[in-house]
Amino acid sequence: GAGVSQSPSNKVTEKGKDVELRCDPISGHTALYWYRQSLGQGLEFLIYFQGNSAPDKSGLPSDRFSAERTGGSVSTLTIQRTQQEDSAVYLCASSPIPTDTQYFGPGTRLTVL
Amino acid sequence: RKEVEQDPGPFNVPEGATVAFNCTYSNSASQSFFWYRQDCRKEPKLLMSVYSSGNEDGRFTAQLNRASQYISLLIRDSKLSDSATYLCVVLPGGGYNKLIFGAGTRLAVHP
Repeated sequence: GAGVSQSPSNKVTEKGKDVELRCDPISGHTALYWYRQSLGQGLEFLIYFQGNSAPDKSGLPSDRFSAERTGGSVSTLTIQRTQQEDSAVYLCASSPIPTDTQYFGPGTRLTVL
Repeated sequence: RKEVEQDPGPFNVPEGATVAFNCTYSNSASQSFFWYRQDCRKEPKLLMSVYSSGNEDGRFTAQLNRASQYISLLIRDSKLSDSATYLCVVLPGGGYNKLIFGAGTRLAVHP
C-alpha cells in the first residue's frame, strides 16, 4: 500500500520567507510526527499528533514553527520568516498507534539562502 | 546525559566481518526498543524490534539487557550493502508516547 508521502521533496527559499511542508500519513495511522535532521546529525523531534488530542509541541525550536493536522490525516508544518539555520531535511512519520513502529516519509530538503 | 546514547563510529569493517553496536538508554522504565537503519540521504527504516529474550533476523541479532540498560545489534557476515547508519530507538513508557532516537552509529563495509 501507499507509504508516507511528503511534498515538496526539495524547497529552496530566501531568508525571511515563509514555507509550508506537507505530510500525507499512511491511511488509518493515528499518530503523526515531525522531525528534522541537519546534515550528519541525528533526528530532532519537533511535534507529535495523536488522534484528537492536543499536539505535543515540546520540540518546536521557536514560535516561528507551527504545525496543523486537519481531519486527523494530512499535516502541514509551517516555518515563518525562515532563517539559514532552518536548513535541514524535515521528516514526517506515522504509526498505527503511538507505541508502534514509525514509518517515515522521504522527507523535504529545505535550503534557506 | 542523553536519553539514548550511541557510539557515532564510523565502524570500518571488511566484507564478511562480524560487527556489534551497543546503545545505552537512561530511563529504566523504557518499554520498547528498536533498531532503525538510515541510508545516506534517505529516511530511516525499521530494521528490527528488540525483544526481551533477544531475537534474530537472518544475519542480524538484537539483544536487550535491562539490568545494564543497553541494547545491542550484531551483524554477521557483513555485506557492502550493510553500509548505513544504525539508529537505536527507545520508547520511554510511563505514558510518554514518543520514540526517542539515538544519533546513530555509522557502519562502512569495504571490499
